[in-house]
Amino acid sequence: EIVMTQSPATLSVSPGERATLSCRASQSVSINLAWYQQKPGQAPRLFIYGASTRATGIPARFSGSGSGTEFTLTISSLQSEDFAVYYCQQYNNWPPLTFGGGTKVEIK
Amino acid sequence: QLQLQESGPGLVKPSETLSLTCTVSGGSISRSGYYWTWIRQPPGKGLEWIGTIYYSGNSFSNPSLNSRVTISVDASKNQFSLKLSSVTAADTAVYYCARHPEVDGMDVWGQGTTVTVSS
Repeated sequence: EIVMTQSPATLSVSPGERATLSCRASQSVSINLAWYQQKPGQAPRLFIYGASTRATGIPARFSGSGSGTEFTLTISSLQSEDFAVYYCQQYNNWPPLTFGGGTKVEIK
Repeated sequence: QLQLQESGPGLVKPSETLSLTCTVSGGSISRSGYYWTWIRQPPGKGLEWIGTIYYSGNSFSNPSLNSRVTISVDASKNQFSLKLSSVTAADTAVYYCARHPEVDGMDVWGQGTTVTVSS
């Protein structure tokens, strides 16, 4: 099983600032990595797939990078609607599909 | 626009079987290149993959659930279903169904349904 580890668990950022979220895989997942945003009481929403491709309707301030075992989700200038929990997920080697534990982006 | 909707009992007794159905609307469950997946989220915790099925019936489930999972598909009703046997309080969670393209992330999700295991 590929273990996905996200850091930090919580990220405190002021609106307008840049946020950098990390995701590490226990073995290479190539670029088969997705990022999801989840707000309280809502289902997760696909933001990034293929490590760096934005899903439909996702603003350009969100960018994904990385390959192999190290990945980053960057939010260039945080807006109020961006405060949420973000999960990474690998789909390179499954079953099982595996998620990271999540990073909560909160208002500083 | 493709939509998924979970349905099923919100309360299940310990040791019984949890049964949920996901109804797909706005598109066909039989479209090639897409898997159909169940995910759950215990209160205050992260996301856990339960299992996935293809329209052909080929399915996969999480080994951590110790073979308690059965996933099936009914293409005539455009639905897929989850059965989780011998439930305990640890199975209390929000259960989501989602569409999973073969080479992408899960791009369409249901709104989720809360299942509580309690006597």
